[in-house]
Amino acid sequence: AQSVTQLDSQVPVFEEAPVELRCNYSSSVSVYLFWYVQYPNQGLQLLLKYLSGSTLVESINGFEAEFNKSQTSFHLRKPSVHISDTAEYFCAVLDQGAQKLVFGQGTRLTINP
Amino acid sequence: NAGVTQTPKFRILKIGQSMTLQCAQDMNHNYMYWYRQDPGMGLKLIYYSVGAGITDKGEVPNGYNVSRSTTEDFPLRLELAAPSQTSVYFCASRDSGYQETQYFGPGTRLLVL
Repeated sequence: AQSVTQLDSQVPVFEEAPVELRCNYSSSVSVYLFWYVQYPNQGLQLLLKYLSGSTLVESINGFEAEFNKSQTSFHLRKPSVHISDTAEYFCAVLDQGAQKLVFGQGTRLTINP
Repeated sequence: NAGVTQTPKFRILKIGQSMTLQCAQDMNHNYMYWYRQDPGMGLKLIYYSVGAGITDKGEVPNGYNVSRSTTEDFPLRLELAAPSQTSVYFCASRDSGYQETQYFGPGTRLLVL
């Protein structure tokens, strides 16, 4: 069965500093990977996804993630964070057999002014 | 499109009471899911459905029941509420295919006392 590990439960950073949220997945022949964001008191929404092709994928608000097959990782990065990025971030992999997402435990990103 | 809608937003139940959490989507998606989210625990899949009339258990189905009589609706039933079912419940839907985005509802916060 697929599994996802998010290595940090909480990440505090200062505004305008860079950030990396780490995600590792269990190895598989082919994987489809996702990052979801949950702003306070809201549901989850898709941030970005890797399906195939370029290993670097980007979101519209400056986040990017790189698929690294040899390290089975899909880390999320942003070069300069803003207060509005305060949220919980979930990494997920698609279980293709059952057509369902398997989520990591989540990483709470806190931005300090 | 309204997307995925959930009712109620918040509910307090007494131990042993029953209730139904409603979920509806207007995107004609085949796949629908129910998750629960507890602090620091990520999302746990309760039940899911791959189409009308077809449901299957997720990781934590005990104490819950579902039905899928139409494509649009996927209600979650709690028969005998227990304090362990205090949680935030999210419904989600997606279309068929690995590339499809999963959309989440705003959540139902349930407190069992």
